[in-house]
Amino acid sequence: GESVGLHLPTLSVQEGDNSIINCAYSNSASDYFIWYKQESGKGPQFIIDIRSNMDKRQGQRVTVLLNKTVKHLSLQIAATQPGDSAVYFCAEALGAGGTSYGKLTFGQGTILTVHP
Amino acid sequence: DGGITQSPKYLFRKEGQNVTLSCEQNLNHDAMYWYRQDPGQGLRLIYYSQIVNDFQKGDIAEGYSVSREKKESFPLTVTSAQKNPTAFYLCASSLSPRRGGNQPQHFGDGTRLSIL
Repeated sequence: GESVGLHLPTLSVQEGDNSIINCAYSNSASDYFIWYKQESGKGPQFIIDIRSNMDKRQGQRVTVLLNKTVKHLSLQIAATQPGDSAVYFCAEALGAGGTSYGKLTFGQGTILTVHP
Repeated sequence: DGGITQSPKYLFRKEGQNVTLSCEQNLNHDAMYWYRQDPGQGLRLIYYSQIVNDFQKGDIAEGYSVSREKKESFPLTVTSAQKNPTAFYLCASSLSPRRGGNQPQHFGDGTRLSIL
C-alpha cells in the first residue's frame, strides 16, 4: 500500500560516531538494493548498491548489509561528519523477467542529523 | 561534465494549463525515469523509458504524459488533468537493466512545480 507518513524517522549522532540507518524492504523477490543521500533542494545522490547474491558490500566510509531472511537492509556510515547530514533513502528492484524489471521502489527515508 | 540537467528549477502553473518539464542527459544511458516527491515522502515513479520511442506507465501516471524521441531527452508534461501537481519532480537515468541486471539510477536536481 502507499505510505502516507509525514514524519520521517530521524537519527541524531555526534560527529565522529558511527551511524546505522535501517530499512525494511517489502518484496522477497527483490534482487537489487540501493542507498541514496538527498540534501535539501537537490536530487538523490547514489551511495552504494548491493545485489541479492551478497550480504555485505563496502565503499568509502560506508557499508551496506543485507539480511534476506528478515528482509532488512542497513547502511553503516563510519566516522560520521556534519556533511553527512541529509535524508537517506533505500530502494529495491525486482530481478529480470517481470514487467517491473528496472523499476526502483523507494522507502520513506530517514533524516540523519550530525552534531559537531 | 557528464550528468543530468533538469529545467527549469522552479515552475509555476495556472489552473487548466499544461506545463512541460525538461530532462536531458549526456551519460549515454538507455533508460530514463520520472519521479514525483511530496514532502516527507519517498519518490514515486510516474513514467519510465527503457529505449528510444518506448515508455511505460509507472505507479502514478494519471495526469502526466511523456515522449522519448531522442536518447538524451525525456520531457514530462503535467496536464490539466493532474489535480494536485504541486510537488518536486525528479528525472533519472541508468544503463539499461537488460545489459546485465539492475543498474543504479542517477538523478538530476529536480524541478519544483507550484500552482498559482
